[in-house]
Amino acid sequence: NAGVTQTPKFQVLKTGQSMTLQCAQDMNHNSMYWYRQDPGMGLRLIYYSASEGTTDKGEVPNGYNVSRLNKREFSLRLESAAPSQTSVYFCARRRTGALTGELFFGEGSRLTVL
Amino acid sequence: TQLLEQSPQFLSIQEGENLTVYCNSSSVFSSLQWYRQEPGEGPVLLVTVVTGGEVKKLKRLTFQFGDARKDSSLHITAAQPGDTGLYLCAGERDTGRRALTFGSGTRLQVQP
Repeated sequence: NAGVTQTPKFQVLKTGQSMTLQCAQDMNHNSMYWYRQDPGMGLRLIYYSASEGTTDKGEVPNGYNVSRLNKREFSLRLESAAPSQTSVYFCARRRTGALTGELFFGEGSRLTVL
Repeated sequence: TQLLEQSPQFLSIQEGENLTVYCNSSSVFSSLQWYRQEPGEGPVLLVTVVTGGEVKKLKRLTFQFGDARKDSSLHITAAQPGDTGLYLCAGERDTGRRALTFGSGTRLQVQP
């Protein structure tokens, strides 16, 4: 799993429900990311965290919040889920000190919003 | 409009054929990566290129970074069924923002 563990792997929500996707890394790296993947769209960045306690918006942050409470964990929260948030969500870590953007991804969390 | 455009989107070929996948942009990238993704899994890094004109080989896969660092290509020689998957290019720009932008992907199927 490239040192990145995501939970849950599958989730079905009703419109308006809330939930949190959890991500944990075991490599003690500074930078972590949340991407979503939709058919024909590649991966789009939702939020990222360059270090513990800091977060920044990506391309598609609306409808999401994140928390980086410690170096190991980076969670993604949907406060009021919408059908447009049906997607596969990937968490990734970036090797500390890496000069180039090489990411290591978890296996993904598949979310369906009805 | 995507920052990184990949072509073709889909490719179905016979085992033993050669193919090239393209990744193009109007922006300059400080580095560019290629990933492969199999169903139900996350993308896995294949290679990183950083210098304009750079060519890297990984067995039957050849990766090239354009001289102007705006585009890249992936060439597979004598494709095998095990090459089947989604190929994604991703780039990082010199904006101080340490995040990758991904292309839309090329789905390759190699028939035995």
